[in-house]
Parts: sequence; C-alpha cells; structure tokens
Amino acid sequence: IVLTQSPGTLSLSPGERATLSCRASQSVSSSYLAWYQQKPGQAPRLLIYGTSSRATGIPDRFSGSGSGTDFTVTISRLEPEDFAVYYCQHYGSSPTFGGGTKVEI
Amino acid sequence: QVQLVESGGGLVKPGGSLRLSCAASGFTFSDYYMSWIRQAPGKGLEWVSYISSLSTYTNYADSVRGRFTISRDNAKNSLFLQMNSLRAEDTAVYYCARGDMNAFDIWGQGTMVTVSS
Repeated sequence: IVLTQSPGTLSLSPGERATLSCRASQSVSSSYLAWYQQKPGQAPRLLIYGTSSRATGIPDRFSGSGSGTDFTVTISRLEPEDFAVYYCQHYGSSPTFGGGTKVEI
Repeated sequence: QVQLVESGGGLVKPGGSLRLSCAASGFTFSDYYMSWIRQAPGKGLEWVSYISSLSTYTNYADSVRGRFTISRDNAKNSLFLQMNSLRAEDTAVYYCARGDMNAFDIWGQGTMVTVSS
C-alpha cells in the first residue's frame, strides 16, 4: 500500500488551522492508520492511531479523521511547537509511511 | 520510564556488516512486537523489519530481505538487527520502535549507520 501525503509543505502562521491529507493506493482499515510528528534531530512521536485516537499526552487541538483511502489530520490552532514534519503510516503486514508534510512558519 | 536505546551504529565499508542493538526498559518487553525503522539523511521514514513478541514471526522490507536479520532476546529485553552486505543506500538513522495499538508508539533516539568507502 502506497501512502501519498499532501501538500508537501504547508506554510502557515501560529493560530491558524492546518489540514494535512494522506491518500492510500487502496482501501485500508481505519484501525491501521496512524500519524506521527517529527521535529529536527528528534525521533518521530506518535500523534494519532486508529485514524482518530490521540496518543497519550497529545493535546486535543490535534484530531484525525477519514476512511477508505482518504485520511486527514487537523491541527485546530497552530502553536509554535507544532511546526514540524508529519507522517501518516499504515500498520499492515508490511508497514508503510507516507512521504511527509512539512508544516512551516 | 518506558525507554528504547539503540546502539551499534557507525561507519562501515560497502559489503561490510554491522549489528545494531536496542535495549528496552520500563515495560514488559516480551509482550510486544518490535520493529526497526530507518531514515536516510534528509528523507522520510522507511520500515525495515518487525519481529513478533515470541520471535515466531518476522518480516522484512524488500530492500533488505536476504541481507538483514532481526532477532530478540526477551530475557535481556533486547532487540537486534544484523546487517550484512551493506550498501551506500543503507546509510540512515536506524530507530527501534514498539508496536502497539496498530502503530509504533514508542521510539528510540536512533543510531546512525554510514556505509562508505
């Protein structure tokens, strides 16, 4: 399964809303779709699992949705610490990652 | 606290071998699938391999199958990746990660592997 993320880069200001998309090459179970945040020089951090469940400690300004082939993560109001790269991921028998969306100021 | 710490990275010549280790702490290691995931410099994430909790099942990305071997020692809370016939394109930060809730919920800080002559 190939995951295609869009846009490649999102240029926004603090306080704005960010919408990141992930499209799968074929329908996937929503149970197996996750999102990660990665900041420069750091390991990725799990944000969302099962399409819409926030991981431990993730603030509620992050939300996930979608089904079938189209999935989205939304950051309702960008905080300075949210500027990072975001990856979607399918947890199948051979897990795959999308190419990433960079959210920049 | 829950923690994964990788080690064993370094500089190796093409065709050489390297063994990575990942030490787990703060959770019952033997309850979880574990994976290796890598990230080439300036690039995205690539899953490399996983192993089931009791080593019954393993799987590999096509790019490493036949060259890399994943293993674990539950008595020592450790995960390993034996990498043989290394190529320049294997150059990356290698992360170990815990599988839970159909996602990778805990990641180590990574260890850098550089394949160059």
